[in-house]
Amino acid sequence: KAGVTQTPRYLIKTRGQQVTLSCSPISGHRSVSWYQQTPGQGLQFLFEYFSETQRNKGNFPGRFSGRQFSNSRSEMNVSTLELGDSALYLCASSLQGTNSPLHFGNGTRLTVT
Amino acid sequence: QQQVKQSPQSLIVQKGGISIINCAYENTAFDYFPWYQQFPGKGPALLIAIRPDVSEKKEGRFTISFNKSAKQFSLHIMDSQPGDSATYFCAASIGLRMNRDDKIIFGKGTRLHILP
Repeated sequence: KAGVTQTPRYLIKTRGQQVTLSCSPISGHRSVSWYQQTPGQGLQFLFEYFSETQRNKGNFPGRFSGRQFSNSRSEMNVSTLELGDSALYLCASSLQGTNSPLHFGNGTRLTVT
Repeated sequence: QQQVKQSPQSLIVQKGGISIINCAYENTAFDYFPWYQQFPGKGPALLIAIRPDVSEKKEGRFTISFNKSAKQFSLHIMDSQPGDSATYFCAASIGLRMNRDDKIIFGKGTRLHILP
């Protein structure tokens, strides 16, 4: 079975721009969750989608949004980028949600200049 | 209420020794406690997980010890090997099955280095 695929692997954006990251889950997984990883704050939960519906959201501003398509693929969007948004963004898929084993992709490294 | 405190931040262990990483949580509603292992340039991978109805779970060289009354859980790596050198994250998750409102909190991570 193919693992979780995230694209692109690296992104460099300018402050004020917006960015869209993509995640393809493991086949059969209906839950996709997103995380921000930074050296200072560690791994932080952004939000989770299950069957195209956002089921839970972490404590991030509204500039962070996402969606899930009928094939379970998910996108995350960050608008009006700030320098502090520079991070590794990880997505994870699972059968049942964040209360079950998560299968992570290798992330998208976003640098905001 | 929603924090998960992980210690130590970094750990150096001799090959063959026992590596121990500890986590403490506050919210008694957490009901799923996984440990993830992350190598540089890779996403985290599930190592082992436990639910609060058991006090210990062992998988190969990896053991989770769970103390519900103290709200603590720990990862023990027996016979530590250089290939175990990685960053380890504990996590605690809430699964409110009535409305499926899952949420997960991670510890800040422990950088483990096994000396050859």
